[in-house]
Amino acid sequence: GAGVSQSPSNKVTEKGKDVELRCDPISGHTALYWYRQSLGQGLEFLIYFQGNSAPDKSGLPSDRFSAERTGGSVSTLTIQRTQQEDSAVYLCASSFLTGAGQETQYFGPGTRLLVL
Amino acid sequence: AQKITQTQPGMFVQEKEAVTLDCTYDTSDPSYGLFWYKQPSSGEMIFLIYQGSYDQQNATEGRYSLNFQKARKSANLVISASQLGDSAMYFCAMKLFSGGYNKLIFGAGTRLAVHP
Repeated sequence: GAGVSQSPSNKVTEKGKDVELRCDPISGHTALYWYRQSLGQGLEFLIYFQGNSAPDKSGLPSDRFSAERTGGSVSTLTIQRTQQEDSAVYLCASSFLTGAGQETQYFGPGTRLLVL
Repeated sequence: AQKITQTQPGMFVQEKEAVTLDCTYDTSDPSYGLFWYKQPSSGEMIFLIYQGSYDQQNATEGRYSLNFQKARKSANLVISASQLGDSAMYFCAMKLFSGGYNKLIFGAGTRLAVHP
């Protein structure tokens, strides 16, 4: 079946502009995650959605970052007034929570954001 | 604090040889899962293998096996019979199953180069 998809694959923007990044999770997956990967680094958790529960926003680096998930499916990560340090790859992952322990997160190809 | 440490920034291996990628973790939580992901140059994170903290046996998936030493808090990935296509970044990650943690905690990664 189809995996996690993200768009755009690449985004170049000017400092101070707003950007929106989109994630389409695997159909039927209840949990959705956003991570950020700076050049040569591991992944940094940003935000988590699970069903109708309030999202876990504990990883968002500033109030310029926000995300929403409509209808329990597609998610949009918005970065307002972008800064050069926001340049990174933004990865989305989804999973199906069984409550039985292992919950494998499946990742999309990422959006490479460059802020000039 | 929860932490994943990968001490090998880069590793080289000859094709068809086995290689071990190191991962140590730090948590006081008794219930957790450990994951390995592969990230080729295309950027997508590919799930390889999972080990639960209560699993009695080391996980295996094809050419991948996980050398889980709970007392030493290590979860090394062993790749047998290396192939050129194994050249990629490899990330170790941990997920806690209590305390409301919803994220994967990633190490900094190890870049593996397989030589013909």
